[in-house]
Amino acid sequence: GAVVSQHPSWVICKSGTSVKIECRSLDFQATTMFWYRQFPKQSLMLMATSNEGSKATYEQGVEKDKFLINHASLTLSTLTVTSAHPEDSSFYICSARGISGLGYNEQFFGPGTRLTVL
Amino acid sequence: QQQVKQSPQSLIVQKGGISIINCAYENTAFDYFPWYQQFPGKGPALLIAIRPDVSEKKEGRFTISFNKSAKQFSLHIMDSQPGDSATYFCAGSFTGGGNKLTFGTGTQLKVEL
Repeated sequence: GAVVSQHPSWVICKSGTSVKIECRSLDFQATTMFWYRQFPKQSLMLMATSNEGSKATYEQGVEKDKFLINHASLTLSTLTVTSAHPEDSSFYICSARGISGLGYNEQFFGPGTRLTVL
Repeated sequence: QQQVKQSPQSLIVQKGGISIINCAYENTAFDYFPWYQQFPGKGPALLIAIRPDVSEKKEGRFTISFNKSAKQFSLHIMDSQPGDSATYFCAGSFTGGGNKLTFGTGTQLKVEL
């Protein structure tokens, strides 16, 4: 249980275009999802917290107009990178908050999406 | 977000040896300390986690030791295997903070034959 999927797993796009990444909780409902960004050989940096039915909360320094987040249902959150540029190339990972086997709040991570902007 | 400091940055261990990774946190409000394992090109996966009301938790070959007074916790991998070669991240979170995770900087573990 507690499986999170992401689509696509990798995407290559031209500079100036927009890219949408989907994050789905497959076997549980998630009122809260998180979006992270990870550069090579670095740690995960939280970009934003996505709450179903309300606006996302962005971390300091993250441009909300560039990284659009929509959490339209209890199983789907989307991240749209608008007007992507080469510096947006990164590994984007989502997680969904659910209940672990021990009854605790836990984040279950997706497999990540590799974005390359040419 | 307050930091979680992790060391070492990289670690090479012989097969069958013990791998030890250490973390130190600043935020005394943290009430949940997970460890994640990440393989190249994959998302992180929860390995083991501990709450501050216990000093040690063991699951198979993996053990977390927790020292609340020192604000430190560590991961011990017993009988390390080549398949354990991955990047390991510690993290901390607290319920009042929306369960947002603050990650350590990561440790790249290589287990050699």
